Amino acid sequence: EVQLVESGGGLVKPGGSLRLSCAASGFSFSLYAMNWVRQAPGKGLEWVSSIRVSDDHIYYADSVKGRFTISRDNAKNSLYLHMDSLRAEDTAVYYCAREAIVDQIDYWGQGTLVTVSS
Amino acid sequence: QVVLTQSPSASASLGTSVKLTCTLSSDHSTYAIAWHQQQPGRGPRYLMRLNSDGSRVKGDGIPDRFSGSSSGAERYLTISSLQSEDEADYYCQTWGTGIQVFGGGTKVTVL
Repeated sequence: EVQLVESGGGLVKPGGSLRLSCAASGFSFSLYAMNWVRQAPGKGLEWVSSIRVSDDHIYYADSVKGRFTISRDNAKNSLYLHMDSLRAEDTAVYYCAREAIVDQIDYWGQGTLVTVSS
Repeated sequence: QVVLTQSPSASASLGTSVKLTCTLSSDHSTYAIAWHQQQPGRGPRYLMRLNSDGSRVKGDGIPDRFSGSSSGAERYLTISSLQSEDEADYYCQTWGTGIQVFGGGTKVTVL
């Protein structure tokens, strides 16, 4: 059974940093591209970042470019999102999501809440 | 860049059907999309991939009540025999090189 379990969310002050983790199991993690998607309170889904099978192809939404860093450790079956210079508008539930071999997202985690507030 | 447009809300009575629409922006009418369901307080769940020719790939354990179809730039999700647990937000999603794009979502109310 495919499982994606996020952790690392919490309350952080504006300008602060946080690192999210996603533990993957039930599939060959190294063979799949992975994504972070977020959802602000009461809002829709917003794609944040993706990382291909190897680390050499990484993409970011304009809203987080230069502040967030996605990475993966295939040996640990883990995906990460390091978030710097956090703003109030980054407050959201952050979901880890797997991309199917043929491009759509096909599995989601349960999410971890990040709150940026003084 | 591709844009996906969804109506904000839809409603139908218990046991009937509802048809949701996701419209692709011009010049992107041949794109495949995926449908995802998000029940209140839960993470999203993948329902199906829907290609421009109407062919689809469903997610694990998705009931036959959920079906998809395509016409031009429009992609549809039909939920038949509506049940109370189908009350949820439904998002369409497509992709480009390394990026994912979501529609604004449709909130389905079961009357």
